[in-house]
Order: sequence, then structure tokens, then C-alpha cells
Amino acid sequence: EIVLTQSPATLSLSPGERATLSCRASQSVSSYLAWYQQKPGQAPRLLIYDASNRATGIPARFSGSGSGTDFTLTISSLEPEDFAVYYCQQRSNWPPGDTFGQGTKLEIK
Amino acid sequence: QVQLVESGGGLVKPGGSLRLSCAASGFTFSDYYMSWIRQAPGKGLEWVSYISSSSSYTNYADSVKGRFTISRDNAKNSLYLQMNSLRAEDTAVYYCARDTGYPDGGIDYWGQGTLVTVSS
Repeated sequence: EIVLTQSPATLSLSPGERATLSCRASQSVSSYLAWYQQKPGQAPRLLIYDASNRATGIPARFSGSGSGTDFTLTISSLEPEDFAVYYCQQRSNWPPGDTFGQGTKLEIK
Repeated sequence: QVQLVESGGGLVKPGGSLRLSCAASGFTFSDYYMSWIRQAPGKGLEWVSYISSSSSYTNYADSVKGRFTISRDNAKNSLYLQMNSLRAEDTAVYYCARDTGYPDGGIDYWGQGTLVTVSS
């Protein structure tokens, strides 16, 4: 099973600042990585798929990069509604099966 | 609009069984992979299983392999998860979700979730 490790566990920033979230895979997943945002009491929302493609309706301040084992989600200028928990998900063909990272909580400083 | 509505959750004793259902609408169900994902109370997301559009391919997390079975009925626009030999650690909200494509897509629509509690 491929393990995803997200860092940091918690990130404290202020609105307007830049956020950089990391996701590291235990082995290469090519570009098959997605990012999600989850707010309390809500289902997750797809932000990025295939490492760098924004999902429909996602603001341009969200961007994804990376390939192989190291991936980054960047939020260029934080809006109040961006404070939430973020998860990465790998979708590699081998070994088959998806896994999620443990999440990064983005909180207001 | 896309809607995914789960049902079938509830309280079950360890060792028991439960069948979750998901009614899909607002899109061509037979065109999409579908997944079940769960979230234990206060914890992160855990992928459980997915099924290809024609049911020809399924896959399971190691934690549920041999106990859970995913299936779908494209004529009824429905997704199912048969859960047997349930354990306390299976307690979670179970989400039905639509997959935009495997492996280079993501999960773009989620249901509201149904709570499964395994306790004596």
C-alpha cells in the first residue's frame, strides 16, 4: 500500500498570506494525485486532480504541482473561506487502490 | 444537478452485516466509476472501494478486503456496499462518491454520508 504523508499537520496563517501544503508518497504515483478541501460538517470538495489540474469552479488562487513522490498545493492569497482541512489522495495503478493522506489543518493565525 | 443519496446506515453489533445503498441522479450513472469512502468520527478520510462503470473492475482497501463487496445496478442508477463481519473500527460516516476517471481523475461529487456504528 502506498502511504501518503502530509506536512505540516497544522498550518497557522493569516488572510492574504500564501499557503504551501506538502504531500509525499512512499513510492512514485506518477501524476495521479488529487487534493480536497473539507470544512466541518461537510463532504470534501475536489480542488485539484492529476497533480496540477484545477477542478471545475475552483478559484485560480489554488494550484497544484509535483510528480513522482513529492507534491504541493499552493493557495496564493488566503481568503477567509479557505481555512479548512486539506487532504491529498493518490490513485496509482500499482499497487492498485487509492489512499488518502492524514490531512493538513489550515487555521487562522 | 448531480445528487448522490446514501441510505442503509445504522447501529449494528460486531460480526453483523449491513448493506448501504446510494441513489444517483442528474448524470449518466453508467458512464462513471463510483467509490465508497469513509470517515471515522473526528478522523481523516479513508478510501474503501471503487467499481468501474461496467462493474468489470473492483478494488478494495486492505482493511475491508474479504468482508465488503461493492456492486452497482446501472439500470437503477444505484451503488451498493455489502458489509459483513463488521468490526468496531468500521464505525464511520460512509460517503458514496462519483469518480471523474481513473487513475488521472478525482472524486468530484460526494453524497451527504450515512453513519454506520458498530457496537454491542
